[in-house]
Amino acid sequence: GQSLEQPSEVTAVEGAIVQINCTYQTSGFYGLSWYQQHDGGAPTFLSYNALDGLEETGRFSSFLSRSDSYGYLLLQELQMKDSASYFCAVLDTGRRALTFGSGTRLQVQP
Amino acid sequence: SQTIHQWPATLVQPVGSPLSLECTVEGTSNPNLYWYRQAAGRGLQLLFYSVGIGQISSEVPQNLSASRPQDRQFILSSKKLLLSDSGFYLCARLGGGNTIYFGEGSWLTVV
Repeated sequence: GQSLEQPSEVTAVEGAIVQINCTYQTSGFYGLSWYQQHDGGAPTFLSYNALDGLEETGRFSSFLSRSDSYGYLLLQELQMKDSASYFCAVLDTGRRALTFGSGTRLQVQP
Repeated sequence: SQTIHQWPATLVQPVGSPLSLECTVEGTSNPNLYWYRQAAGRGLQLLFYSVGIGQISSEVPQNLSASRPQDRQFILSSKKLLLSDSGFYLCARLGGGNTIYFGEGSWLTVV
């Protein structure tokens, strides 16, 4: 089976940097994904790491260490619109389906 | 572009009534398709996945069922809804780069 752990809530101010950590346990591993979900909306894809290291996409970066079963999402220059829930997820090698963490609710304050 | 259509967007159903949520995908052939459910303030739970027409795998035993009558059509059903079936239901497909993309979702309230 698979399980993922991430903090339930994070609060930060506009312009700051925030890091959301994710640790996972999985019997088969394709990669670690991150999704953003605003209240009332569907999750949207942010990033995917299949290999160790840092992937950067604009203000967002994602890191993976497969040996540590650990990854993080880094959000820079926070904006109010970044207030949302962020989910890490692992892709199961057998089902090719995502198993999600319980989500981290990010509150960006002025 | 590859688009996921999901309907209805919102519905309120009495306990014991049937359910049918429909999902269609455009712009791709033979996609892996999924139904997820999200309870209020919670994570996403995989309910069913399908790798092709008529091929359905169930992840969680419950009173829901899924069918895939056509390549790009995925239907979630129930014969008798329970209060615990309330939630946000999301159809999704597997895209390139092992990325999963979601439809807009259907909000179900069972009363």
